Amino acid sequence: NAGVTQTPKFRVLKTGQSMTLLCAQDMNHEYMYWYRQDPGMGLRLIHYSVGEGTTAKGEVPDGYNVSRLKKQNFLLGLESAAPSQTSVYFCASTGTFTDTQYFGPGTRLTVL
Amino acid sequence: AQSVTQLDSHVSVSEGTPVLLRCNYSSSYSPSLFWYVQHPNKGLQLLLKYTSAATLVKGINGFEAEFKKSETSFHLTKPSAHMSDAAEYFCVVSDFSGGYNKLIFGAGTRLAVHP
Repeated sequence: NAGVTQTPKFRVLKTGQSMTLLCAQDMNHEYMYWYRQDPGMGLRLIHYSVGEGTTAKGEVPDGYNVSRLKKQNFLLGLESAAPSQTSVYFCASTGTFTDTQYFGPGTRLTVL
Repeated sequence: AQSVTQLDSHVSVSEGTPVLLRCNYSSSYSPSLFWYVQHPNKGLQLLLKYTSAATLVKGINGFEAEFKKSETSFHLTKPSAHMSDAAEYFCVVSDFSGGYNKLIFGAGTRLAVHP
């Protein structure tokens, strides 16, 4: 039982490049989330999903897209990376009848 | 809307002395409150959770937090700090106002523990 995993752990991009971050959970959770963490700002919600095939915008969605084609996976895409997207990205998941979220180990992204 | 304020961005203590990390919250209903810990270059780990069953909540690694509705506070304490407690701590409130489960994070408190 791995919990929540994220791929990759680190990535360096040049401005304008694209990439996809993968989040996987093996707890059969309905809800999945993508956050970004910036110094002094805690975690901010980018996008979330309440079930397979559904996604919605969070607090800071601009410049990101997501997809949830399978219940266990939640993908975060950057179509044209910008230096302002340099951050640490965390994925989380939770079940239907709880509000406790379980977090992945994070992906550190640098955009040059 | 729910919100969380962590009153100290940095706290420094000596090993073996008490730890106090302060958190105030704002909520229009009785919320769930959490403390998460993040060790350097690691993910977030749940320390403890308040869900109205008891106002004093015990968590992992000797931490506990007390929910005080009259003061809208949820401060995190530990009687005796250990070097391994050095980390960043986040106070978090749950929010269902948008029709889904959302967490609102405080800005974090970085705890330093000195020998």
